[in-house]
Amino acid sequence: GQNIDQPTEMTATEGAIVQINCTYQTSGFNGLFWYQQHAGEAPTFLSYNVLDGLEEKGRFSSFLSRSKGYSYLLLKELQMKDSASYLCAAHYGGATNKLIFGTGTLLAVQP
Amino acid sequence: DAGITQSPRHKVTETGTPVTLRCHQTENHRYMYWYRQDPGHGLRLIHYSYGVKDTDKGEVSDGYSVSRSKTEDFLLTLESATSSQTSVYFCAISKGGPSTDTQYFGPGTRLTVL
Repeated sequence: GQNIDQPTEMTATEGAIVQINCTYQTSGFNGLFWYQQHAGEAPTFLSYNVLDGLEEKGRFSSFLSRSKGYSYLLLKELQMKDSASYLCAAHYGGATNKLIFGTGTLLAVQP
Repeated sequence: DAGITQSPRHKVTETGTPVTLRCHQTENHRYMYWYRQDPGHGLRLIHYSYGVKDTDKGEVSDGYSVSRSKTEDFLLTLESATSSQTSVYFCAISKGGPSTDTQYFGPGTRLTVL
């Protein structure tokens, strides 16, 4: 199967930078998503990486290394409202033809 | 935000009763999905649809059925609810297929089976 691994919980300080890592199996891989999910709410789309490298979108950046099966989400200038779960999800084609989610990383931003 | 609504938003039911959850979209997207989200498991695909009357199973389809008679509506039915089906259910939509396009999620339905 396609296992997506990410840390369960992380804590960071307001104004700081935090990096959330995600590893995935590379066979059949098409691309990688990051979603943000606040408690009791729906996941919302943050980023999609298909090619290797870093993509920046305001305070949030996402990195992908296809050969290593590795991605990270970088959050800069952390704000209290960034406290949420961050879901890593990988697109797999071929016979799988699915979007597979990790269990999510719960980020707590402290004052 | 994508125009996706789910109903009901909350439901409490008893074991053995049938339950139907509804997902409605106003985006005219071809693909629709039902996921369940449980602690420690992340989002898991139950069923998805790739067009009117066209559906396929996901990884946790046992005990669930779906129907799509119109582009905008995707129904999830629990024929005889069990306590293991207590979960938060999310509907999602995408313009392209499950391995190629971004999925956008509805607000979720919290189902409790007593």
